[in-house]
This record gives sequence, C-alpha cells and structure tokens, in this order.
Amino acid sequence: QKEVEQDPGPLSVPEGAIVSLNCTYSNSAFQYFMWYRQYSRKGPELLMYTYSSGNKEDGRFTAQVDKSSKYISLFIRDSQPSDSATYLCAMGSGSNYKLTFGKGTLLTVNP
Amino acid sequence: NAGVTQTPKFQVLKTGQSMTLQCAQDMNHNSMYWYRQDPGMGLRLIYYSASEGTTDKGEVPNGYNVSRLNKREFSLRLESAAPSQTSVYFCASSIKREGENTQYFGPGTRLTVL
Repeated sequence: QKEVEQDPGPLSVPEGAIVSLNCTYSNSAFQYFMWYRQYSRKGPELLMYTYSSGNKEDGRFTAQVDKSSKYISLFIRDSQPSDSATYLCAMGSGSNYKLTFGKGTLLTVNP
Repeated sequence: NAGVTQTPKFQVLKTGQSMTLQCAQDMNHNSMYWYRQDPGMGLRLIYYSASEGTTDKGEVPNGYNVSRLNKREFSLRLESAAPSQTSVYFCASSIKREGENTQYFGPGTRLTVL
C-alpha cells in the first residue's frame, strides 16, 4: 500500500462549481498536512497548512483533515478558471525533514 | 524578497557531461531540499540539508552530489549526466520545527540529457 494515494484526475468542472480534492494515507504518524498548487511549468506554491483534525478556511479554500480515517480534502468554492492547476497534497511528522507528497490531481475549470 | 531562486531555468546536456544547479533563498530558512519531478512519479526528494554544514540523502540520491555553500545557497551537481536524469528539478527551503515543515519551492530547472 502506498503511503499517500491521490486521484490523478484529470478533473474538469464548470466555472463556479465546488471542487473536492482528496488524499488518503496509511501512515498514522503523519501529524501535519499541506496542499500545494502547481501551475503548468511552475514550482509548487503553498496553499494551506493544517496540523489538527477539522477544517481550516482561507477565502474560497477549505482544508479538511480526518486523522481517524486517514483522509484529507481540499474544497474550492466558486471555482475560477485561474484555479486550473495541479493540486498536490503533502504530509509530514515530528522531527522528520522529509515530506511525503501525493502525485497530484490535475484540475481544469472551464469558463 | 525573491523567495527561492534557481539557475539555470533550462539546460540541455549530452550524456556524460557534468553540471551544477544553483539554488538560493532569502527567507533565512535553515533547511533546504532538492527534488526531481517526473510524469507519473510525483516529487521525489534527492538530497536535503537540515542546516548549514549538513547534508543527507533522500529517496533518489544516486548520480547526484550536493553542497550547502552557506545558509542561503544549496547546489546540486550531476557529475556524469545520464538520460534517466532528464527531469524538472526543484529546490525548496523551510524553517523546520517540531510539528511543521512548510516548504517553499523555487521555479524549477528543466534538464534534458541527450
């Protein structure tokens, strides 16, 4: 079983839709979770960081963590064409310097 | 405040040639990282430097060497490039704390080895 599983998509939605992106993980030691957005031919850009189970909101973005189910989600409300990108989940633990990344979900928001 | 910068942006090498990828950060971060990103493989850690003066192997270190020149700069060297090293290379930096390792990435270097 892979440490982190992320549906690669591609996911195509109309402008204004609510988007749900998900990752599951198997390592119960993971303590903190991040979502990165990567535009084509650019570096990953940090979107959200969360430490505890529950929801964290930032504008149109909501990150959700369920440690009991080993499941994290990123919701995008009122999606825009500018949200079209690959979204990567990442997670880490304790004093470990290494992050474990999902392989990314390619999202296209159509005008 | 430029964040993480990388040079060059693009490079084409012939098999057996050597080159050094440069990375610098101006965020006063202690830790720096080198990743490669390949289609279907995601981001894979090559080497990291927890702090100035230390380096450690990541997931895919073979064929690479690194130097943490000072707190700001972390370089990646390919001594004898191979076609399997064709990839996009990203440098990242972070302030590593217990319970946190938020990494900030550079724009990447696209390397092709013929």
